Amino acid sequence: QSALTQPASVSGSPGQSIAISCTGTSSDVGGYSYVSWYQQHPGKAPKLMIYDVTDRPSGVSNRFSGSKSGNTASLTISGLQAEDEADYYCSSYTSSSTLVLFGGGTKLTVL
Amino acid sequence: QLQLQESGPGLVKPSETLSLTCTVSGGSISSRSHFWGWIRQPPGKGLEWIGSIYYSGSTNYNPSLKSRVTISVETSKNQFSLRLSSVTAADTAVYYCARQQLKPVSMREVVITEFDPWGQGTLVTVSS
Repeated sequence: QSALTQPASVSGSPGQSIAISCTGTSSDVGGYSYVSWYQQHPGKAPKLMIYDVTDRPSGVSNRFSGSKSGNTASLTISGLQAEDEADYYCSSYTSSSTLVLFGGGTKLTVL
Repeated sequence: QLQLQESGPGLVKPSETLSLTCTVSGGSISSRSHFWGWIRQPPGKGLEWIGSIYYSGSTNYNPSLKSRVTISVETSKNQFSLRLSSVTAADTAVYYCARQQLKPVSMREVVITEFDPWGQGTLVTVSS
C-alpha cells in the first residue's frame, strides 16, 4: 500500500504558524483515530509529538497540535521557533495487511 | 524511564542475513499493553515499518518484507531481535527499535499504533 501523502517541504518565519498535511484513505487516516506525528532532527531518532490525532505526550510543547478532517490529518505548529526546524512524519494504523503506514516526510524550514 | 538500544554488526555482505538486537531497559518487555517494533530509514529517505512482536511471540510483518523477516523475543533478557535475510544494497539503512501501543478498534480487536520511545538507531550498510 502507498505511503501517506505529505508535502515535501514547508517553511515559516519565527513566531508564525504552519500546518503540515497528511493525506490517506478511509482505510487508514479517515477510518481511525490513530494518527501520530514524529519530529526528527538530523542524525537523531524520531520523537513522538502527537498521537491519537490530537493528543500530546507529556513534555511536548502545546505549540504542537493535531487535527483531522476526512482522510487528511494535519500537524500545526504555532509560534515557530528555530529549534522546530526538522523533518516531520505522520503515521497511521491501516486496516490493510500493511497495518502501519508512514508519510514520506516533510522538511520544515524556519526562515 | 524506558530506554531501547539497538546492537549488531554495522556491515553485512550482500545475500547474507542482517541480525540486530534491541535491549529494553527501565521497563518490562512482557507488558500486555505493548508491541515492540522495528523501523528502518534508508539514507536521506523516509521511515518504513518492518514488523513488530508481542511478548508472547505473536508477530506482525510488513507484507513487502515478510518473506525475508523474522522477529523474535527473549523475555528473560528483555530483548527482541530482527533477522533480515538475503540482503542487498537496498537494505542499507538506519534501523530503529521502538515500543508500540496496543489500542482498541472494536470491542474485540486491538491494533498497534504509535511508536514511543525509540532507540537511537544503528546504521547497517550492505556491501561486499
